Amino acid sequence: KNEVEQSPQNLTAQEGEFITINCSYSVGISALHWLQQHPGGGIVSLFMLSSGKKKHGRLIATINIQEKHSSLHITASHPRDSAVYICAKETSGSRLTFGEGTQLTVNP
Amino acid sequence: DTGVSQNPRHKITKRGQNVTFRCDPISEHNRLYWYRQTLGQGPEFLTYFQNEAQLEKSRLLSDRFSAERPKGSFSTLEIQRTEQGDSAMYLCASSLRPGRISGNTIYFGEGSWLTVV
Repeated sequence: KNEVEQSPQNLTAQEGEFITINCSYSVGISALHWLQQHPGGGIVSLFMLSSGKKKHGRLIATINIQEKHSSLHITASHPRDSAVYICAKETSGSRLTFGEGTQLTVNP
Repeated sequence: DTGVSQNPRHKITKRGQNVTFRCDPISEHNRLYWYRQTLGQGPEFLTYFQNEAQLEKSRLLSDRFSAERPKGSFSTLEIQRTEQGDSAMYLCASSLRPGRISGNTIYFGEGSWLTVV
């Protein structure tokens, strides 16, 4: 079992749809990160969470520490949201352990 | 500051050759990380530095791999006697050491793609 598991692996949506990506992790963390990776490799940090909920524009991230679960939501999805979304847990030394990513495709 | 910079961005090398990648982190960041990513997978941790000290190395970092950060600024990752299995993207990231109040946003470079033929 991976330390960080994401679902779904692939997600296709129509423009405007509400999107949810889920992340579960197996052991305690100091923080949970959501990242976005576009073709070509660049990774951008979206959120860092240790509790509760954060919102940035159309993106919302939540975490439930007791259940070891986090979700990333995208409201009013747009084709430019198409990317790989990666969940990563932060443990000692601030090293990250990554999930395998969710490939999101938003069609116009 | 232009963020985390990596070079070369792409490298094709013959099996058995040595390669070196360089990472220039954001200037005030004292932590620097190296990750490796293969197609369709999430990145895997290789090693990290706090200033010039290498604090942790993954078991993925075989004897053929060495990383340095001699003055606590830029870092190099060298792979000796490359093998085809080394083909991957090598990602560098940097951050500030987390404080009691501040967060620990991690900034990534664009990655260095290695192809071993």
